[in-house]
Amino acid sequence: DGGITQSPKYLFRKEGQNVTLSCEQNLNHDAMYWYRQDPGQGLRLIYYSQIVNDFQKGDIAEGYSVSREKKESFPLTVTSAQKNPTAFYLCATRKGLQQFFGPGTRLTVL
Amino acid sequence: GIQVEQSPPDLILQEGANSTLRCNFSDSVNNLQWFHQNPWGQLINLFYIPSGTKQNGRLSATTVATERYSLLYISSSQTTDSGVYFCAVGSNAGGTSYGKLTFGQGTILTVHP
Repeated sequence: DGGITQSPKYLFRKEGQNVTLSCEQNLNHDAMYWYRQDPGQGLRLIYYSQIVNDFQKGDIAEGYSVSREKKESFPLTVTSAQKNPTAFYLCATRKGLQQFFGPGTRLTVL
Repeated sequence: GIQVEQSPPDLILQEGANSTLRCNFSDSVNNLQWFHQNPWGQLINLFYIPSGTKQNGRLSATTVATERYSLLYISSSQTTDSGVYFCAVGSNAGGTSYGKLTFGQGTILTVHP
């Protein structure tokens, strides 16, 4: 089954803890992206990666970190430095200029 | 950076009605996509349309790049069309866009039976 998977679907964490969100794809796309969506808002870019072992900050990278050790995987770590981490996180890949999205992870900080 | 404005912010329709959603953007673009976000949060690609007109069933879209706007038409709306519609654009300003998209705030569409 081809596509983009994100896990977990729902995630709860205590304030002050780091947490890692998974994004895996088997579409063989080089570029991958992480977005954040807050209620009633559009998506904002956190980080993106054009190729393995390379990634760039997006518009709201503070408090987040990523790695790209494999083409298929682009995990996002939400660190304790992120002041308002509760949000819906979406991962995407790109083919040409068209982006395709995973189902998302809803993170709630208690 | 590029600004994207969508209108209207909210739209309520009776099943069977037609609608037009608008997306204005502030600069030249080489990428424009329309998405539908369903109630579970999944973003579904509707159109990749940096210019011209495309149709897919009851949906069609037109982008007039020189005038910096795009329109999404929904005909004979159904309750399953409900959700949020996003316009997202990308530009190649400076030659280093890396395929980045800037999203509008979305139009919330509710279709009643």
